[in-house]
Amino acid sequence: AQSVSQHNHHVILSEAASLELGCNYSYGGTVNLFWYVQYPGQHLQLLLKYFSGDPLVKGIKGFEAEFIKSKFSFNLRKPSVQWSDTAEYFCAVKINQAGTALIFGKGTTLSVSS
Amino acid sequence: GAVVSQHPSRVICKSGTSVKIECRSLDFQATTMFWYRQFPKQSLMLMATSNEGSKATYEQGVEKDKFLINHASLTLSTLTVTSAHPEDSSFYICSAFPRDRGSYEQYFGPGTRLTVT
Repeated sequence: AQSVSQHNHHVILSEAASLELGCNYSYGGTVNLFWYVQYPGQHLQLLLKYFSGDPLVKGIKGFEAEFIKSKFSFNLRKPSVQWSDTAEYFCAVKINQAGTALIFGKGTTLSVSS
Repeated sequence: GAVVSQHPSRVICKSGTSVKIECRSLDFQATTMFWYRQFPKQSLMLMATSNEGSKATYEQGVEKDKFLINHASLTLSTLTVTSAHPEDSSFYICSAFPRDRGSYEQYFGPGTRLTVT
């Protein structure tokens, strides 16, 4: 069964610092990859997704992620974080078949101080 | 975009009672819906896969007799927590695949906060 690992449990940054959150998955076949954000008290929102094509994916709010197939990784990046980026970030993977569920990583809490 | 709603958004019930949570796809038909639960400060754990017109498929460790799932139509799936206990208190989230979009992307509902007293 596939699994998802997020290495950073809690990241604390100052505003304008750069961000990189790690995500690795275990599955040998073709996958779809996602990053979701959950702001305090709110529901999940899709930040970005990768299905195929250019491995560098740009999402909303200035986030991007790079799919490195050889490393089974899909790290999330942002050049300059803002206080409003404080949230929980989840990496998720699904097998590239119709109707299969997302498997989530444990999440990373990002705290940005102003 | 595709919109998924859940009702109720919050529910408090007494131990031993049953609670039904609805998940609706508002502007699309969903062949498949998923139910997740999220404990405080933890990730989403897949509970079950709900396919319209057939029995739900439960993940290992999820009691199918306790968490009853009914996917009676292409726009509605319900999760009933039977004989609820305080340890069932959690955030329950559903997601749905649009039927006409190849079922490769799913959309999440806003979640239901269940508190069992």
